[in-house]
Amino acid sequence: AIQMTQSPSSLSASVGDRVTITCRASQGVRNDLGWYQQKPGKAPKLLIYAASSLQSGVPLRFSGSGSGTDFTLTISSLQPEDFATYYCLQDYNYPVTFGQGTKLEI
Amino acid sequence: EVQLVESGGGLVQPGGSLRLSCAASGFTLSDHYMHWVRQAPGKGLEWVGLTRNKAYSYTTEYAASVKGRFTISRDDVKNSLFLQMSSLKIEDTAVYYCTRDQGVVGVPGAWGQGTLVTVSS
Repeated sequence: AIQMTQSPSSLSASVGDRVTITCRASQGVRNDLGWYQQKPGKAPKLLIYAASSLQSGVPLRFSGSGSGTDFTLTISSLQPEDFATYYCLQDYNYPVTFGQGTKLEI
Repeated sequence: EVQLVESGGGLVQPGGSLRLSCAASGFTLSDHYMHWVRQAPGKGLEWVGLTRNKAYSYTTEYAASVKGRFTISRDDVKNSLFLQMSSLKIEDTAVYYCTRDQGVVGVPGAWGQGTLVTVSS
């Protein structure tokens, strides 16, 4: 199975900060990668698909980049509602695998 | 509007069985890959498995941790997805989410609210 490793595991930031979360795959996954946001007690929400495509309705401050094994999720200017846990996911091959998550805290 | 509503969760003893259902609306179920994803209390997300769409003959894939114990099925006429779980283990305790592919690519896009399965004696 492809392992997805996120860094950092947790991150403290302030409103207005620019934040970058990285996800590294144990082998190449082309651009078959998604990013999710999850708030406590809620279902995850898809932010980015195909590594860099913004899901409909997601604010433009979210962006994704990368291909192959190294990917990044960037939030250009943190808003209060962005404090949550973020996960990457690859579906290049099966089993589909998630990263372990990055908790973004104030 | 895409809606997914899971049901069927509850308390079950180790070794027991449980069937989860997911009622889908707002889209044509046969056109889409459907996944199950779970989350143990306080832990990260774990992919459970998927069923492909009609074009790919509804074939299935599973995580190693559930293969041979869990079965995903669907009833496109009733717009429903199912997860049959057997030989349940304590470590299967989790919130189980029904998800639909994003539409352009296969990653989970729309998610249900989840249903809690607790495996305990």
